[in-house]
Amino acid sequence: GENVEQHPSTLSVQEGDSAVIKCTYSDSASNYFPWYKQELGKRPQLIIDIRSNVGEKKDQRIAVTLNKTAKHFSLHITETQPEDSAVYFCAARVTGTASKLTFGTGTRLQVTL
Amino acid sequence: GAVVSQHPSWVICKSGTSVKIECRSLDFQATTMFWYRQFPKQSLMLMATSNEGSKATYEQGVEKDKFLINHASLTLSTLTVTSAHPEDSSFYICSARSMGGELYGYTFGSGTRLTVV
Repeated sequence: GENVEQHPSTLSVQEGDSAVIKCTYSDSASNYFPWYKQELGKRPQLIIDIRSNVGEKKDQRIAVTLNKTAKHFSLHITETQPEDSAVYFCAARVTGTASKLTFGTGTRLQVTL
Repeated sequence: GAVVSQHPSWVICKSGTSVKIECRSLDFQATTMFWYRQFPKQSLMLMATSNEGSKATYEQGVEKDKFLINHASLTLSTLTVTSAHPEDSSFYICSARSMGGELYGYTFGSGTRLTVV
């Protein structure tokens, strides 16, 4: 099955700096890659997603890039703010597998003042 | 937007008892429901996938007789943890997808924190 690795596991940045989280996936048939933000004890919230026919997508301070050849995708957060502090999960979906998502191991982002 | 209501938000039960968790899609038809378990500081691990009217498909290592999933209607899916033990204490989250899945993507419930004492 699909395997998704995520790095780093923890990331501390100063307010205003950029944060980058990277994920790799194993199944070349994966075609959908969402990113979720989860605050303690809460549900994961979709912050951005990208499909395999697109190399990059941006939404204000958040961007995602996808390299299908290398099978990796990254989340970029610019001008970080304290409210960006949370755990971020990447995920991948393989075509034809009942649409299930395989999640990465998570990155705990801490934005310090 | 799409909303999935999950209840209860937290529950404490005695070892050996059963607990039922409900997820309801409020404004769309959830043709597929995914059930996840999340231990502290860990990722979401898929337990099973259920399609309305069909038996659930369980992930490897998940006991289907212990984690009973029912998806009898397009708006309701339930997970029953039978004969719960302390090691079953975890955060359980459902995620629903509609037939027109690309419209709503994956809508998560708010989660249920289960503590077995």
